Amino acid sequence: QVQLQESGPGLVKPSQTLSLTCTVSGGSISSGGYYWSWIRQHPGKGLEWIGFIYHSGSTYYNPSLKSRLTISVDTSKNQFSLNLSSVTAADTAVYYCAREPSDSCNFDYWGQGTLVTVSS
Amino acid sequence: DIQMTQSPSSLSASVGDRVTITCRASQSISRYLNWYQQKPGKAPKVLIYAASSLQSGVPSRFSGSGSGTDFTLTINSLQPEDFATYYCQQSYSTPRTFGQGTKVEIK
Repeated sequence: QVQLQESGPGLVKPSQTLSLTCTVSGGSISSGGYYWSWIRQHPGKGLEWIGFIYHSGSTYYNPSLKSRLTISVDTSKNQFSLNLSSVTAADTAVYYCAREPSDSCNFDYWGQGTLVTVSS
Repeated sequence: DIQMTQSPSSLSASVGDRVTITCRASQSISRYLNWYQQKPGKAPKVLIYAASSLQSGVPSRFSGSGSGTDFTLTINSLQPEDFATYYCQQSYSTPRTFGQGTKVEIK
């Protein structure tokens, strides 16, 4: 059974960089066939796709965040990561990592989500 | 970006009711449309992918239809565990985008 688990600080100061890691178990990122995504949800709001990465390192970012965003993959650790720079209170959200099969194109496995609060 | 618009934003229904939620895309997305259910404090769970394919393990009372720009999620005989928020999502292009959600509440 595939499992995804987000980890990282729950509190980040304004103007700093938000860094999260998603650890995948029950399947190998390097096997290919999947896009590995970050999605966030502002408190009480809807879902916003942040971006995804393929095992090769190819990335696709949401243009609304692209200038501040880096997603990377470490296949040796079976992890992928999110770095979002210059954060403000508007970046306070629950951040999810998720898997998207390249054939069925839906988010079929999700992490439990982690709340990141941006505050001084 | 492709805009996804759901209606209604919320609805009240009783156990046993048939519920229909609609989703409209701002341009044709063929059948690249997924439906998710989210309960408070939990990650979303995929119910329907490719407009009408039922995800493994999802009860058959959930069904999806549509293509192009107009899509529907139907829940036949609403059960107590179905009270949740439902989102549509397009996977036709990047950025992936979601509808604003439909909250299904108990009448």
